[in-house]
Amino acid sequence: KQEVTQIPAALSVPEGENLVLNCSFTDSAIYNLQWFRQDPGKGLTSLLLIQSSQREQTSGRLNASLDKSSGRSTLYIAASQPGDSATYLCAVRNSGNTPLVFGKGTRLSVIA
Amino acid sequence: EAQVTQNPRYLITVTGKKLTVTCSQNMNHEYMSWYRQDPGLGLRQIYYSMNVEVTDKGDVPEGYKVSRKEKRNFPLILESPSPNQTSLYFCASTRRGGAGTDTQYFGPGTRLTVL
Repeated sequence: KQEVTQIPAALSVPEGENLVLNCSFTDSAIYNLQWFRQDPGKGLTSLLLIQSSQREQTSGRLNASLDKSSGRSTLYIAASQPGDSATYLCAVRNSGNTPLVFGKGTRLSVIA
Repeated sequence: EAQVTQNPRYLITVTGKKLTVTCSQNMNHEYMSWYRQDPGLGLRQIYYSMNVEVTDKGDVPEGYKVSRKEKRNFPLILESPSPNQTSLYFCASTRRGGAGTDTQYFGPGTRLTVL
């Protein structure tokens, strides 16, 4: 059974820092991996999706990498801003018809 | 605007009183699902539907029912709610792109409290 782990559970950084959030998964035979952002009391917003055949995806200040063989993904946030404060969730899908399996998230606080 | 809507957003009810949480998407997606989010447990799938009249259990289906009579709507039904169903519920709709490009879109969430 696929399990997804995110480390650290919480992170506090000063504004302007570059940071890395980590995600690991136990079954490397994945279909895709998706990073989401969740603001308190709100729904999830998709940030980046990496297909199993891809190594990374970029959107603005965000870069997500995927290393299937080691079961790891990282989300890199450049030049962090207070508006980046949120919980970041990593989710993996093993096939087109299986549900997303979520990690428990990393709660990020960017201090002005 | 492409979106997934849920109603109600907040609900406080009592044990045993049947309730329905509605979910609607305007993106013509075939695949829809329901999740619950609990502290320390993360997001877990309750039910999913691959198309009209096709539904299947997720990881935590006990105590829930769903129906999919139309493509756009996927209501979640709690026939006899219990306090352990107090949670934050999310409906999601998936854009199927094939070859690993499926992208999931989430509704704003429904916070349910069962007393």
